Amino acid sequence: QVQLVESGGGVVQPGGSLRLSCAASGFTFNNYGMHWVRQAPGKGLEWVALIQYDGRDKYYADSVKGRFTISRDNSKNTLYLQMNSLRAEDTAFYYCAKSPSKLGIGWFDSWGQGTLVTVSS
Amino acid sequence: QSALTQPRSVSGSPGQSVTISCTGTSSDIGGYDYVSWYQQHPGKAPKLMIYDVSKRPSGVPDRFSGSKSGNTASLTISGLQAEDEADYYCCSYAGSYTWVFGGGTKLTVL
Repeated sequence: QVQLVESGGGVVQPGGSLRLSCAASGFTFNNYGMHWVRQAPGKGLEWVALIQYDGRDKYYADSVKGRFTISRDNSKNTLYLQMNSLRAEDTAFYYCAKSPSKLGIGWFDSWGQGTLVTVSS
Repeated sequence: QSALTQPRSVSGSPGQSVTISCTGTSSDIGGYDYVSWYQQHPGKAPKLMIYDVSKRPSGVPDRFSGSKSGNTASLTISGLQAEDEADYYCCSYAGSYTWVFGGGTKLTVL
């Protein structure tokens, strides 16, 4: 079955950087678009970024555009999120989520357990 | 990319039905049939319950149903059970490869 396992979260100072990883298994990783979705503690869900199946096209929420970079290594079945210039409002659980399609259109059919990023001095 | 509007909370007794609304605009819910719903229990990851407005993934009970009219989508849970108590989030594709979620609705089973 589909398994998504995030890692890389932690505490970082404002202005700092962090890279999250999401190890995928149980499906043909390079056939599907992948997303990052975040959730501030006690708050709602917010879509963050999409990368299409071959890694060539990437899309971002306005709130992270220019600061975050989504990438993937299909040889390692791993999704990444490089987060730079972090702000307090980036504090959240970050989930990787699988799309049902190559281009990422549609919905999020499987989710990881999330990794917590805390931005604080 | 404004969030979709959901009621903060709804409640119902076991066996009853509840409906959660999700209101957007013609740029998201009204413009596409990519409306999905997610259930989230405390401390857990979200789980897909409805996709493409009204389709259920395998394993989701047929007590869960979805619909859409204009810029508003709805999730109906019939025959409420204690394990349905959770937060529910709607989501819509918003064009140009972006997505928008609702603020979430806390369902309490009385």
